[in-house]
Amino acid sequence: GAVVSQHPSRVICKSGTSVKIECRSLDFQATTMFWYRQFPKQSLMLMATSNEGSKATYEQGVEKDKFLINHASLTLSTLTVTSAHPEDSSFYICSARSGGVWGPLNYGYTFGSGTRLTVV
Amino acid sequence: TQLLEQSPQFLSIQEGENLTVYCNSSSVFSSLQWYRQEPGEGPVLLVTVVTGGEVKKLKRLTFQFGDARKDSSLHITAAQPGDTGLYLCAGAGNAGNNRKLIWGLGTSLAVNP
Repeated sequence: GAVVSQHPSRVICKSGTSVKIECRSLDFQATTMFWYRQFPKQSLMLMATSNEGSKATYEQGVEKDKFLINHASLTLSTLTVTSAHPEDSSFYICSARSGGVWGPLNYGYTFGSGTRLTVV
Repeated sequence: TQLLEQSPQFLSIQEGENLTVYCNSSSVFSSLQWYRQEPGEGPVLLVTVVTGGEVKKLKRLTFQFGDARKDSSLHITAAQPGDTGLYLCAGAGNAGNNRKLIWGLGTSLAVNP
C-alpha cells in the first residue's frame, strides 16, 4: 500500500534555530501534501496545503514566513520551522494524496508517522 | 465553512462495554473517513463511507453513514483494552479545494481492563 515516510520522528532544538521536517511518498506520487499540527489528545489542525511545483496555501492564522513549505517534487515535501520558539513545540504530521480521478482508490489519505518537535 | 462535530470528546469505559461515537454536520460530504491514532503515531485509516445509508463492519466496529451524508457513527461492541486510542472522523471537502479533509475534534477512548 501507499507509504509516506516522515523524518525525523523526534527533534529537540534550541530556541531561535530552524528545523526541517521531510515527508517522502515511497510508492506513489504525492500530488497534494497536507501539513498538520496536533496537540495531545486533540484533533489535527491543518496548517497548509501544497501542490507539487506550486506555492503552498496556508490556513488562516498560520504564518507562512515561519512555516516554510516546499513541494518541489512529486515524492518529497518539506516543512521548515524557522526561528523556532517553545510555543512551536508540537506534533507535526504530513498527509499525502495522489492526483488523478477522484475514484475509490483516492479516498484514502496516507499519513506520515509524525514528528515530535520540542523547542528548548 | 464546513464543520464536523464529534462527540463525546473523552470516553472511559470498562472492558466488554459497548460505545458509540458520533460525527455530525450541517454540510454534505462526498465521503467520510474514520481514523484511529496511537500516541506518537500518525492516524491510520479504518474505513471510508461513501454512500448515504451505508453500513460497514470491521470486526467489532460498525460504521454508518447517514442517509443525507451529513453524519456518521462508529459503534464498538465489547470494547477491549486494545481499542484504546484517539478516534477521528474526517469528511472530504468540496471538489476543487484540494480535497482537504474537515476533521472532527476527536474522541479519546480509554478501555480499562
